[in-house]
Amino acid sequence: QKEVEQDPGPLSVPEGAIVSLNCTYSNSAFQYFMWYRQYSRKGPELLMYTYSSGNKEDGRFTAQVDKSSKYISLFIRDSQPSDSATYLCAMSNAGGSYIPTFGRGTSLIVHP
Amino acid sequence: ETGVTQSPTHLIKTRGQQVTLRCSSQSGHNTVSWYQQALGQGPQFIFQYYREEENGRGNFPPRFSGLQFPNYSSELNVNALELDDSALYLCASSRGTSRLTENNEQFFGPGTRLTVL
Repeated sequence: QKEVEQDPGPLSVPEGAIVSLNCTYSNSAFQYFMWYRQYSRKGPELLMYTYSSGNKEDGRFTAQVDKSSKYISLFIRDSQPSDSATYLCAMSNAGGSYIPTFGRGTSLIVHP
Repeated sequence: ETGVTQSPTHLIKTRGQQVTLRCSSQSGHNTVSWYQQALGQGPQFIFQYYREEENGRGNFPPRFSGLQFPNYSSELNVNALELDDSALYLCASSRGTSRLTENNEQFFGPGTRLTVL
């Protein structure tokens, strides 16, 4: 079993839909939970991160962490075709050097 | 676009050969991390360099080695290439090695696509 599990999709939604992306994990030591977006032929870019449990909102994006269930989510409201990309969740411990463990990514397609 | 650059963009090698990939970090960053991203997978941590010293290593064999130079640019060397080494190799730079914050985010380069035949 991998430390971080993520459904690869693809997930296809119409423009304007609410998108829900999820990851599960097994390592209880993870304290930082990140979401990256990766466009084709580009490196990942950090969208947002949360520390420990709770929610965080940034514009159309909301990240949720449920440590009791070892489950994290990213919600995208009013999805746009420009949101079409691969979304990678990543997690890391609190101490020591920042070295994230990534999920395999979910491919999202938002069609007009 | 981040300030992290990588060269070359694409590379084709044959099994058993050696390859060197290069990364220039963003201005003001002293830490470089290398990742391997196989097709359809997330990036896997190879190693990290901080001020020219290796500062952590993932589960990769010794034929994966690296260097960091005084200007904080970095090289990834892979010896005795295997077919499974075919992947996108990403480098990421940051201000330091410590925990993620708004002032210590890792910025990724566009990657080098390595194909081993």
